[in-house]
Amino acid sequence: QVQLVESGGDVVQPGRSLRLSCAASGFTFSYYGMHWVRQAPGKGLEWVAGISHDGNFKNYADSVKGRFTISRDDSKSTLHLQMISLRAEDTAVYYCTKTTRSCRGSSCSSAFDAFDIWGQGTMVSV
Amino acid sequence: IQMTQSSSSLSASVGDRVTITCRASQNIRNYLNWYQQKPGTAPKLLIYAASELHSGVPSRFSGTGSGTDFTLTISSLQPEDFATYFCQQSYSSLVTFGPGTKVDIK
Repeated sequence: QVQLVESGGDVVQPGRSLRLSCAASGFTFSYYGMHWVRQAPGKGLEWVAGISHDGNFKNYADSVKGRFTISRDDSKSTLHLQMISLRAEDTAVYYCTKTTRSCRGSSCSSAFDAFDIWGQGTMVSV
Repeated sequence: IQMTQSSSSLSASVGDRVTITCRASQNIRNYLNWYQQKPGTAPKLLIYAASELHSGVPSRFSGTGSGTDFTLTISSLQPEDFATYFCQQSYSSLVTFGPGTKVDIK
């Protein structure tokens, strides 16, 4: 079945770095944009970063721009989030999500996009 | 794009018709999605493109709206529907979520 499994969460000191990974299975990974969404304890959802299906486009929330880098390895169906200069306010559960829209080259299935598959989350404590 | 939800929480009973509203700070056409989240679990997609029911979601859930104002309606609240609901805009590549509306038992 379609599945996303995050890993890499840990307890770290402020200023340190961490790399999260998300292993995808059950779908053609290279056809879909992927995103990271986080949720601080007791708080709402905050979008962190997204990457297009082909890796050519990356976007970041202002709160992490310049500190976080999203990347993908289609050969391993894996999404990554490299985090540097971590701050206390980065403490959260980090979810990997798959988009609904599939793309092959420049042709996509729909103009609309949503997050239809979520991982179980990985906790980062700073 | 800033997303707001009219209530942070509401109390309702099983069988009630529940309406949750969401507003965007600018016109997002119908690039609006709704998610349900229960404690300790990942969110689940309910509605995409403002009014399209995601696969497997019960038909008691519906969405309406366009432009800046949107509504999620649960026609007859069931015990499993007590949860927090988030709206999210996908008009901009810089995705944003609403703050959430928690539906609890009256």
